[in-house]
Amino acid sequence: KQEVTQIPAALSVPEGENLVLNCSFTDSAIYNLQWFRQDPGKGLTSLLLIQSSQREQTSGRLNASLDKSSGRSTLYIAASQPGDSATYLCAVSTGANSKLTFGKGITLSVRP
Amino acid sequence: NAGVTQTPKFQVLKTGQSMTLQCAQDMNHEYMSWYRQDPGMGLRLIHYSVGAGITDQGEVPNGYNVSRSTTEDFPLRLLSAAPSQTSVYFCASSYSQLAGGFTDTQYFGPGTRLTVL
Repeated sequence: KQEVTQIPAALSVPEGENLVLNCSFTDSAIYNLQWFRQDPGKGLTSLLLIQSSQREQTSGRLNASLDKSSGRSTLYIAASQPGDSATYLCAVSTGANSKLTFGKGITLSVRP
Repeated sequence: NAGVTQTPKFQVLKTGQSMTLQCAQDMNHEYMSWYRQDPGMGLRLIHYSVGAGITDQGEVPNGYNVSRSTTEDFPLRLLSAAPSQTSVYFCASSYSQLAGGFTDTQYFGPGTRLTVL
């Protein structure tokens, strides 16, 4: 059974820092990996999707990498801002039927 | 495009009552799914559908029914609500090219907060 782990559960950093959020998964036979952002009381917004054949994806200040063989992904946030404060969830798809297995998320707080 | 819409936003039920959570998408996505989100448990898949007329169970299907009569709609039915079903429910959809194993970004609705007393 696929398990997705995100550690730590919470992170607090000062504004301007570059930071890395980690995600690990137990079964390397994945179709893709997605990083989501969730604001309090809101739904999930997809940030980046990496197909299994890709190594990384970039969008603005965000860069996500994927190492399937080691079962790891990282989300890099450059020059963090208070508006980046949210919970970041990692999810993997392990079948062509698009079922996602989620980690429990990392709650990020960026202090002004 | 409205994306993925869910109704209602909030609902309070008494134990034993039934209700249907509505989900609709206007992106012509084949794949739709329902998740529940609970503190400390993360998001867990309840049911999913790979196209109209096709549904299957996820990780936590007990107590829930689904059907998919159209591409756009994927309602979730609680037959006899229990306090353990108090949760936030999210519907999601994506384009999925099953034959090629290609799956696209999943889009989530805003959620329904359900309390069962």
